[in-house]
Amino acid sequence: VQLEQWGAGLLNASETLSLTCAVYGGGFGGSLSGFWWSWVRQPPGKGLEWIGEINYRGVTNYEPSFKGRVTISLDMSRTQVSLSLGPVTAADTAVYYCTKRVSISYYMDVWGRGTTVTVAS
Amino acid sequence: QSALTQSAAVSGSPGQSITISCTGTTNDVGGHDLVTWYQFRPGKDPRVLIYEVNKRPSPVYGRFSGSKSGNTASLTISGLQAEDEGDYYCCSYSSGAILVFGGGTKLTVL
Repeated sequence: VQLEQWGAGLLNASETLSLTCAVYGGGFGGSLSGFWWSWVRQPPGKGLEWIGEINYRGVTNYEPSFKGRVTISLDMSRTQVSLSLGPVTAADTAVYYCTKRVSISYYMDVWGRGTTVTVAS
Repeated sequence: QSALTQSAAVSGSPGQSITISCTGTTNDVGGHDLVTWYQFRPGKDPRVLIYEVNKRPSPVYGRFSGSKSGNTASLTISGLQAEDEGDYYCCSYSSGAILVFGGGTKLTVL
């Protein structure tokens, strides 16, 4: 499985961040109950932050501090997962990663290359 | 979001052993055996070193081991090598079906 992600890299404060992650190489719908598709970010000079995740049924889990601002959705036909976060502030400046998480063991074994998002205040 | 607590940096000489700790609460590290350790190195894909506290994925060398005591999980790297230099993050399942990361530990091989 490989994850390719893309989205706007420069936003103004109050806009909405939108990123998409395409899943290649199987795994999205196969072994359907086995995987979750997560988003993780890393602000400059800081550690990793888990944002949330979705499974093939569309069930989502979100980190409480993002609730109300975040939506993770999936497009089964295109095998894509999307992240929407807004309105953004400068604090949302970060590298955003799409990941594949193993269901039972809770580890993320495949990561996208990351998308750098900068929010201009 | 309350991050798990990791020491900011650790160092060691080649061949030595080092341990990185990750302290949480009974809601996360202490309450569930679902701690994962990740390795981040420049130019490399993130790698899972340990999952479920002490299990190693098949491609990971035996030099990496994990353990847990109470609310603290630990990653030990034995036989330190130059290629081990990088950032290490712990991550735990937390009550409420969320995941929480540690702040990361920068490993320098002297």
